[in-house]
Amino acid sequence: QKEVEQNSGPLSVPEGAIASLNCTYSDRGSQSFFWYRQYSGKSPELIMFIYSNGDKEDGRFTAQLNKASQYVSLLIRDSQPSDSATYLCAADGSSNTGKLIFGQGTTLQVKP
Amino acid sequence: GAVVSQHPSWVICKSGTSVKIECRSLDFQATTMFWYRQFPKQSLMLMATSNEGSKATYEQGVEKDKFLINHASLTLSTLTVTSAHPEDSSFYICSARDSGASTEAFFGQGTRLTVV
Repeated sequence: QKEVEQNSGPLSVPEGAIASLNCTYSDRGSQSFFWYRQYSGKSPELIMFIYSNGDKEDGRFTAQLNKASQYVSLLIRDSQPSDSATYLCAADGSSNTGKLIFGQGTTLQVKP
Repeated sequence: GAVVSQHPSWVICKSGTSVKIECRSLDFQATTMFWYRQFPKQSLMLMATSNEGSKATYEQGVEKDKFLINHASLTLSTLTVTSAHPEDSSFYICSARDSGASTEAFFGQGTRLTVV
């Protein structure tokens, strides 16, 4: 069974700190990986996606991919209370159809 | 980014009735749309893949006769929950991928279904 695993948390960090969110996946055929942020009662919103090994930066967010270790991470620099949410990691499961397999999500709490 | 509109955003219905949820891609064409379900404090679980002009593909354990999917055009997919029961109460979310683009799938705002 294709799986995406995340620590459910909660992960608590002080305001201004770096939050590090981790994700592992089981399907080696997965090509693209996504990080979504979901506020309570709302639909997920895409933060960024990555498909090449290494780092990809976008503002305060950096996604890291290591295909050999089947590991994806998201770093949030200068964390703000408004970043408090559930972060969902997703993989395309080698389908390349837009179908995504989601992890259970990590709840992040940024404390002022 | 592209816009996916889902309607209604919330609905309350009585047990035994049917509810239809619409998912529209507003500024792009989507040959494929996806329907997810999310129970409280759980992740999104894919229910089915909706294919324009053909039958939907359902994930294991999802009853195709209970969750009817129609994808009659390149911009609209509908999910009908038939004979709804309280255990069907959940957050239903659709997503769509731009047929002309490569990677991203965009989510609708979700529909909170409560069956009483």
